[in-house]
Amino acid sequence: GQSLEQPSEVTAVEGAIVQINCTYQTSGFYGLSWYQQHDGGAPTFLSYNALDGLEETGRFSSFLSRSDSYGYLLLQELQMKDSASYFCAVRDRAAGNKLTFGGGTRVLVKP
Amino acid sequence: NAGVTQTPKFRVLKTGQSMTLLCAQDMNHEYMYWYRQDPGMGLRLIHYSVGEGTTAKGEVPDGYNVSRLKKQNFLLGLESAAPSQTSVYFCASSMTSGELLSTDTQYFGPGTRLTVL
Repeated sequence: GQSLEQPSEVTAVEGAIVQINCTYQTSGFYGLSWYQQHDGGAPTFLSYNALDGLEETGRFSSFLSRSDSYGYLLLQELQMKDSASYFCAVRDRAAGNKLTFGGGTRVLVKP
Repeated sequence: NAGVTQTPKFRVLKTGQSMTLLCAQDMNHEYMYWYRQDPGMGLRLIHYSVGEGTTAKGEVPDGYNVSRLKKQNFLLGLESAAPSQTSVYFCASSMTSGELLSTDTQYFGPGTRLTVL
């Protein structure tokens, strides 16, 4: 099966940088995804890493180390609208490419 | 395009009642999924489908049934609702190539908030 660990909560001020770590155990790793979810809303896709290294998309970057079964999401120049929950998820190549999600990290941005 | 839609948005049931949640997508996606999300927790996969006429169990399938009679629709049924099924239910779909570098992004519906008394 799959399991993922990520911190439950992070608090930071506007303009700061936040790193959300995710460690995983999986039998059929295919890639690590990140999703954002605002309170009361639906998860939305942020980024995906299949290979080692850093992927940058605007203020957000995601990193993967397959050998360490570890990844992180980096949020730069934090804005109030970045207050949300962030989930890492692994794809299981053996079963419909279904995702297994971590418990989520709640990010609170303060003025 | 509407993307992924879910009906109803809210529902209150009494223990033992049954209901069906409907998910529809207009993106011609092959794969569809049903998740539940309990307060302060991540999403857990209930059932999924890799194509019309196929379904498979996820992590927490007990107490639920699904059907995928048409490619664009994925139905989730609760035959005899229990208070433990109080949750927010999300449907998602993806078009997957199954290749390593493909993101296979899942697109989520707005959710159904279900309370079982």
